[in-house]
Amino acid sequence: EADIYQTPRYLVIGTGKKITLECSQTMGHDKMYWYQQDPGMELHLIHYSYGVNSTEKGDLSSESTVSRIRTEHFPLTLESARPSHTSQYLCASSGTGDLAKNIQYFGAGTRLSVL
Amino acid sequence: SQKIEQNSEALNIQEGKTATLTCNYTNYSPAYLQWYRQDPGRGPVFLLLIRENEKEKRKERLKVTFDTTLKQSLFHITASQPADSATYLCALSSGGSYIPTFGRGTSLIVHP
Repeated sequence: EADIYQTPRYLVIGTGKKITLECSQTMGHDKMYWYQQDPGMELHLIHYSYGVNSTEKGDLSSESTVSRIRTEHFPLTLESARPSHTSQYLCASSGTGDLAKNIQYFGAGTRLSVL
Repeated sequence: SQKIEQNSEALNIQEGKTATLTCNYTNYSPAYLQWYRQDPGRGPVFLLLIRENEKEKRKERLKVTFDTTLKQSLFHITASQPADSATYLCALSSGGSYIPTFGRGTSLIVHP
């Protein structure tokens, strides 16, 4: 089991609310990622980070924002949740080295429902 | 555009048999190919990684092959068990960008 933790596991919230999805890893990995996944569909990269104070947008356009102030912590924030944000959000990390940086360790995910 | 194809139909097999899952890709020259297992409502779990210059990789009951000419990887689970039932994702990453692109996955159902 990977040492990467996401909270909450499930969140049901009303439209317009601000939410923060938490992600922490204890493996000392410099690279961290956020994916969005709908049932039966591919994982889509929405944000990633190479290290502290580094954040980049992924392939899938997202209204969310991220921050990386500490190596182990990579929270995702939605300023104003909408029903279209309903999805599963997965956080991952990877290490250094030619092989290790290609291997992703995932958290259990946050299932978000916006009413 | 880059495309990864995994069989969208579930694979149903009997316990004890070998399960074989396929991953095909187009418009891609991956340096690394990975297989992950994903259980319902959970994040994927890394299983195996194979490099472009490797033909085959094994780990316990798992075997992965990688044919860069056919642009295909096969993932085998021998002596399958009901506990192997899950969705298996194929992921590709290039030498330049280590961030993998994931396929949709194939659902495996092992019947006792």
